[in-house]
Amino acid sequence: EVRLVESGGGLVQPGGSLRLSCAASGFTVIANDMSWVRQAPGKGLEWVSVIYSGGSTDYAGSGKGRFTISRDYPKNVVYLQMNFLTAEDTAVYFCARALPRDRSAWYLWGQGTLVSVSS
Amino acid sequence: QSVLTQPPSASGTPGQRVTISCSGGASNIGSNTVNWYQQVPGTAPKLLIYSDVQRPSGVPDRFSGSKSGTSASLAISGLQSEDEADYYCSSWDDSLMGGVFGTGTKVTV
Repeated sequence: EVRLVESGGGLVQPGGSLRLSCAASGFTVIANDMSWVRQAPGKGLEWVSVIYSGGSTDYAGSGKGRFTISRDYPKNVVYLQMNFLTAEDTAVYFCARALPRDRSAWYLWGQGTLVSVSS
Repeated sequence: QSVLTQPPSASGTPGQRVTISCSGGASNIGSNTVNWYQQVPGTAPKLLIYSDVQRPSGVPDRFSGSKSGTSASLAISGLQSEDEADYYCSSWDDSLMGGVFGTGTKVTV
């Protein structure tokens, strides 16, 4: 079955760190453009980061310098390392796979993992 | 904040046609394709339209997309109760070098 399963969310204090995982099955993450998209409570969708099939990465301004996206080929997992977290990072974080040749057409999504930043 | 602008809400009665607009700029919609997503609260988004006008397998042909210049639209014809959801447009932004979403439109049937 082709699916994505996120994990690693939870409650963290401001200034803390968290690493999210996105486990893929049924396909290989290194052959696809994989993104993280987040949604703050009651708010809209916000693109966070992408790791391209070639290995390069891009980040939204909100995460530049604080977030790092990476992947593990044998484990077939995509990660999002988040540092210096603030309350504005509180959101459900989704992992998504893009269509070939269309990096913003995310057609496979995980169920999301909730990150809460609070003291 | 969101780079693409959508109306906050739209509504219609069953069987009617509803259209949602998505306004952007030269660096996003003007030079990249537009995609549309449907999201029922509490669930992950679902891709409805990609590459401006294409429907993924399984999406009813009641949903259609169009684009002109720096704006795009999603039309839902033959509105059904199960179409009640939030709808988002997305594109790539060459200046920001990242994905961008619309502000979202809540459709009420």
